[in-house]
Amino acid sequence: DAGVTQSPTHLIKTRGQQVTLRCSPKSGHDTVSWYQQALGQGPQFIFQYYEEEERQRGNFPDRFSGHQYPNYSSELNVNALLLGDSALYLCASSLLRGPDGYTFGSGTRLTVV
Amino acid sequence: GDSVTQMEGPVTLSEEAFLTINCTYTATGYPSLFWYVQYPGEGLQLLLKATKADDKGSNKGFEATYRKETTSFHLEKGSVQVSDSAVYFCALWRLRADRGSTLGRLYFGRGTQLTVWP
Repeated sequence: DAGVTQSPTHLIKTRGQQVTLRCSPKSGHDTVSWYQQALGQGPQFIFQYYEEEERQRGNFPDRFSGHQYPNYSSELNVNALLLGDSALYLCASSLLRGPDGYTFGSGTRLTVV
Repeated sequence: GDSVTQMEGPVTLSEEAFLTINCTYTATGYPSLFWYVQYPGEGLQLLLKATKADDKGSNKGFEATYRKETTSFHLEKGSVQVSDSAVYFCALWRLRADRGSTLGRLYFGRGTQLTVWP
């Protein structure tokens, strides 16, 4: 049974560019949450998707947007990249109530130069 | 608002030493509390949890007790191993109602790097 799959694993982008990160949730899970983990920091909640809608959002600007597809997979989009967006982006899937069934992916390491 | 404060790292211990990593939280009500572990190059793994006051979570020799009176959830292990070297995160889980559903999110501490030497 595959866990949470994230792609790509590593990415280098230039300031001002746009990036899309992808997440396939664990089989049977219907909710996807995204977290940003800056170097030396704890993960910070970006947003959560359920039933193809954004249901909760953390303190992140509108440059961060997402999508959830009918098969529950999800994308995180970041526009107008800043150097400060460099971080590990973690996807977590669960059944809605979580977090006992929260499963994290290994993350996408984004470097903005 | 909800927040978690962890002791600053890094923590360096010899094998078989006793481990304590302090964690305190600020929250209304009684959130569930968690410890996650992150090994190099990997995502987060749930280590243990406690859902109400005085609960003790335990796993792989690690323990933590939910102390409402001190708003704490300190992680302990009696005898650490080299394989325990990782970053440990304390987190709280906050539920809220939304359009007939109940949604949750995790609030994490900054993490504590543990290195165990043989």
